Amino acid sequence: AQKITQTQPGMFVQEKEAVTLDCTYDTSDPSYGLFWYKQPSSGEMIFLIYQGSYDQQNATEGRYSLNFQKARKSANLVISASQLGDSAMYFCAMREGVGNEKLTFGTGTRLTIIP
Amino acid sequence: DVKVTQSSRYLVKRTGEKVFLECVQDMDHENMFWYRQDPGLGLRLIYFSYDVKMKEKGDIPEGYSVSREKKERFSLILESASTNQTSMYLCASSPTLFRGAKNIQYFGAGTRLSVL
Repeated sequence: AQKITQTQPGMFVQEKEAVTLDCTYDTSDPSYGLFWYKQPSSGEMIFLIYQGSYDQQNATEGRYSLNFQKARKSANLVISASQLGDSAMYFCAMREGVGNEKLTFGTGTRLTIIP
Repeated sequence: DVKVTQSSRYLVKRTGEKVFLECVQDMDHENMFWYRQDPGLGLRLIYFSYDVKMKEKGDIPEGYSVSREKKERFSLILESASTNQTSMYLCASSPTLFRGAKNIQYFGAGTRLSVL
């Protein structure tokens, strides 16, 4: 089974609208962390936001927020007031267990913002 | 500022050549990683290292080896390049923080390798 599933290969969104990128995960470990990265056309992966499995509140970083629904094993990224510069690939990733440094990535969603 | 530098953005090699991809980080991080990125497959871990001279296989180590002689440098080696190793290669590093902490991996800009 896939550890991280991103079901939207591509999305088109009008500028200034909010957008939700889906991510579901699969783990039996009670301790895990969820990450979102952005990859512009330049290629570099940029860290956006993190949610720990024991965090009580949803993570927020500026225009980015993470809609964490633990029972449903989903960790959707919400971008408010989208901008042209948000056009990029977005990857969801998970780190399982304590002391494990490795990340497992999803297949990514290509977001295109339309002016 | 955090910096992970990959020596080449683009490389073109011939089948059978020995290929070295170099990665250097300036953050004194213990952990370094090599990923391969292919369309529709996301990022897959090839190898990672948690200390100098220490390495551990990732999900797709076949056809690759690594070297970490100094803390700041992690090299990926294709002993005999094949066309199915044409891909984007990404290097990352991270510190070893206390257990369970948010531990961000910082990435280089990637090397796009073509094997002809």
